[in-house]
Amino acid sequence: GQNIDQPTEMTATEGAIVQINCTYQTSGFNGLFWYQQHAGEAPTFLSYNVLDGLEEKGRFSSFLSRSKGYSYLLLKELQMKDSASYLCAVLDSNYQLIWGAGTKLIIKP
Amino acid sequence: GAVVSQHPSWVICKSGTSVKIECRSLDFQATTMFWYRQFPKQSLMLMATSNEGSKATYEQGVEKDKFLINHASLTLSTLTVTSAHPEDSSFYICSARVQDYEQYFGPGTRLTVT
Repeated sequence: GQNIDQPTEMTATEGAIVQINCTYQTSGFNGLFWYQQHAGEAPTFLSYNVLDGLEEKGRFSSFLSRSKGYSYLLLKELQMKDSASYLCAVLDSNYQLIWGAGTKLIIKP
Repeated sequence: GAVVSQHPSWVICKSGTSVKIECRSLDFQATTMFWYRQFPKQSLMLMATSNEGSKATYEQGVEKDKFLINHASLTLSTLTVTSAHPEDSSFYICSARVQDYEQYFGPGTRLTVT
């Protein structure tokens, strides 16, 4: 079966750095997405990785290792507004998104 | 970037009535749209894939006669929840696929069935 694992909840301090991990086992791979979702809102796109390596975009970076079935989202200089759920999703061989359960990130002052 | 709208953003209805939710791609044409449902503190659950001009493909466990999907044009897909019950109360989100991997989400519709 297809499976995506990420931690349920993480807590970090304002101004610090946090890394949210995601491991996956899917039938085929056409890329991995990270989305941010605030409570009561729809997900918003953060990043897309299809090749191994690190993609940096401002305070957010995303890493992918296809051989390990592993990705992480790195958030730097945390702000209170970063408190949200972060969803990892993999595009499988049928170009269908397989979603992780999401990681709720709590930022403390 | 591409914009997807949903209407209404929230709706309260009585048990047994039907509710229609619209999903529109505002500045692009979407041959494929997706409908998701999300219960509190859970991840997105794909309900169905909607292709313009053809019947929707429903995920296992989703009743196609209860959740009617129509994708009549390249910019509009609708989801009708028929004979809604309290257990159908959820956050319904649509998304539109632009290319093989690009998917843009609507803002979601919160349905409460009393």
